[in-house]
Amino acid sequence: QLQLQESGPGLVKPSETLSLTCTVSGGSISDSNYYWGWIRQAPGKGLEWIGSIFYTGSTYYNPSLKSRVTISVDTSKEQFSLKLSSVTAADTAVYYCATILRFCSGGECEVGWFDPWGQGTLVTVSS
Amino acid sequence: DIVMTQSPDSLAVSLGERATINCKSSQSVLYSSNNKNYLAWYQQKLGQPPKLLIYWASTRESGVPDRFSGSGSGTDFTLSISSLQAEDVAVYYCQQYFGTPQSFGQGTKVEIK
Repeated sequence: QLQLQESGPGLVKPSETLSLTCTVSGGSISDSNYYWGWIRQAPGKGLEWIGSIFYTGSTYYNPSLKSRVTISVDTSKEQFSLKLSSVTAADTAVYYCATILRFCSGGECEVGWFDPWGQGTLVTVSS
Repeated sequence: DIVMTQSPDSLAVSLGERATINCKSSQSVLYSSNNKNYLAWYQQKLGQPPKLLIYWASTRESGVPDRFSGSGSGTDFTLSISSLQAEDVAVYYCQQYFGTPQSFGQGTKVEIK
């Protein structure tokens, strides 16, 4: 059963780069049935998809964050990572990593729902 | 971008009574080639990550109690809890995976009356 765990600094200074890592266990990050994604939730707010990656390194970003986001994968470590540059207080949130089902038909592949999720990690942007 | 709008923002229901949450998408999430609605529902309890309840608008995830059901098609969807239990107190989110970016509703908070 897949399990995901986020790790990284809980405090980042304004204008710096937020860096988080998600470690996958109970399965392989190279499983072609899945994408791997990041979602965030500002305090008391809703959920925002940040971006996703396939084990080959193909990435998909939310246009609203695309200029500041980089997601990468390290298959040897069963990890994928998030970097968000030039952060401000508005980037303070709980950051979740999650598995995204990938389903293919007729040579085309699509994304599905998020399951499972990591427990989340709170990142505060403050000087 | 597809905008998901839930109603109401919150509701209070007596134990054992039905709770109904609505979700409306700004464009259809029904894919005509496979006749599937690309819509999921999640439950988020305080201090926990979201938990998948339903996908394809009406397919219950394994282990989810059958008091939870999803319905609807196209742009209008409903999550129903047939007989509210104390452990169902949570915020519920709908999410579309039809288009990129995937997007969530703003959430509906369910409480006990």
